[in-house]
Amino acid sequence: GNSVTQMEGPVTLSEEAFLTINCTYTATGYPSLFWYVQYPGEGLQLLLKATKADDKGSNKGFEATYRKETTSFHLEKGSVQVSDSAVYFCALSRQGGSEKLVFGKGTKLTVNP
Amino acid sequence: DTGVSQNPRHKITKRGQNVTFRCDPISEHNRLYWYRQTLGQGPEFLTYFQNEAQLEKSRLLSDRFSAERPKGSFSTLEIQRTEQGDSAMYLCASSLSRWGAVTTEAFFGQGTRLTVV
Repeated sequence: GNSVTQMEGPVTLSEEAFLTINCTYTATGYPSLFWYVQYPGEGLQLLLKATKADDKGSNKGFEATYRKETTSFHLEKGSVQVSDSAVYFCALSRQGGSEKLVFGKGTKLTVNP
Repeated sequence: DTGVSQNPRHKITKRGQNVTFRCDPISEHNRLYWYRQTLGQGPEFLTYFQNEAQLEKSRLLSDRFSAERPKGSFSTLEIQRTEQGDSAMYLCASSLSRWGAVTTEAFFGQGTRLTVV
């Protein structure tokens, strides 16, 4: 079945450090890929997405590229801020049908000033 | 629109009691999803509705769980005879799916945290 494996946390960085959170997936066909973020006390929010191979999703300085050859969708940011502290979830869905999301376990990021 | 709304935000119940949660999706969204999230895990799909029709249920959804969306707007998730293992965050999400168009992203509510004691 479809599954997502993401880098286990927690991850602790200093402000302005470079961030990478690894995500790989297993899926039949051509899924859409997502990164969701959950800030403390808030609901899940879509951070970025990519719907086909080689697409790059970007938002708020975060980027991720859909790599079909390595079945990966790693999240990167060049310079993190304290306000980026949150839990990040990689997810996939298949187009058509229910389009339900399959999530990874989440990676907790803490950014210290 | 205020987004996806879930009530209550927190529920503590004794084992064996029944509980019901409510989700109000974004008004024009025709798809509604329920997920469950336990500590340290990502959300897991439970069930989804297209308008009022429940089209898919996960094997995670035991016979004690039932979900409805009677008029294609709000939805309820009921758990009968709760067990300690039901303690989790229950998330609702909604999206808009139109024939011939890409489905919009799923928007999530803040969830209902259930604690069974």
